[in-house]
Amino acid sequence: DQQVKQNSPSLSVQEGRISILNCDYTNSMFDYFLWYKKYPAEGPTFLISISSIKDKNEDGRFTVFLNKSAKHLSLHIVPSQPGDSAVYFCAASGSGTYKYIFGTGTRLKVLA
Amino acid sequence: KAGVTQTPRYLIKTRGQQVTLSCSPISGHRSVSWYQQTPGQGLQFLFEYFSETQRNKGNFPGRFSGRQFSNSRSEMNVSTLELGDSALYLCASSDDTIYGYTFGSGTRLTVV
Repeated sequence: DQQVKQNSPSLSVQEGRISILNCDYTNSMFDYFLWYKKYPAEGPTFLISISSIKDKNEDGRFTVFLNKSAKHLSLHIVPSQPGDSAVYFCAASGSGTYKYIFGTGTRLKVLA
Repeated sequence: KAGVTQTPRYLIKTRGQQVTLSCSPISGHRSVSWYQQTPGQGLQFLFEYFSETQRNKGNFPGRFSGRQFSNSRSEMNVSTLELGDSALYLCASSDDTIYGYTFGSGTRLTVV
């Protein structure tokens, strides 16, 4: 049972446009969410996070939105750059578990 | 400070053999988690160790085991290797806060 789902395995976007990556979860006990970026042959690196007490968190070109009622979060990258081409994973955790459940990832390709 | 170090980077093993992977966490981090990454399956949680004790466990068969030493270094062992065990194995360390993990670069295991 996949508790965290990224239904789009891949996404292509033109440079300068907005990239929107989506993530859905099923466990209502999840209260902390993170996005990681992964380049080939490297481990994932932390990108941005959001707590369930917020509905938006922004860091430069990256914004994460959380819709608790829909159990849905999204990552917006504006403007997209070729260096953003990577696999993006969302992850969720319930309070106190210290165990993050990851989605299957979305491969983003930003076209120059 | 040094990041998470995983050794070896690459391994080729034969079906039926066993393998041990090593992970040295960031200094001061006491939590070490292991993940398996395969195409289409995202990051599958194997187990997490904290202060030499397994604190969380994923849904992998008993052929997958791990341990953590007093210096927080962790090892993961896979016995009776199967072709399907071919994957990138990622280790992540944490200071046990909600702020997620720092990942190593992974060990690429190929079973032939």
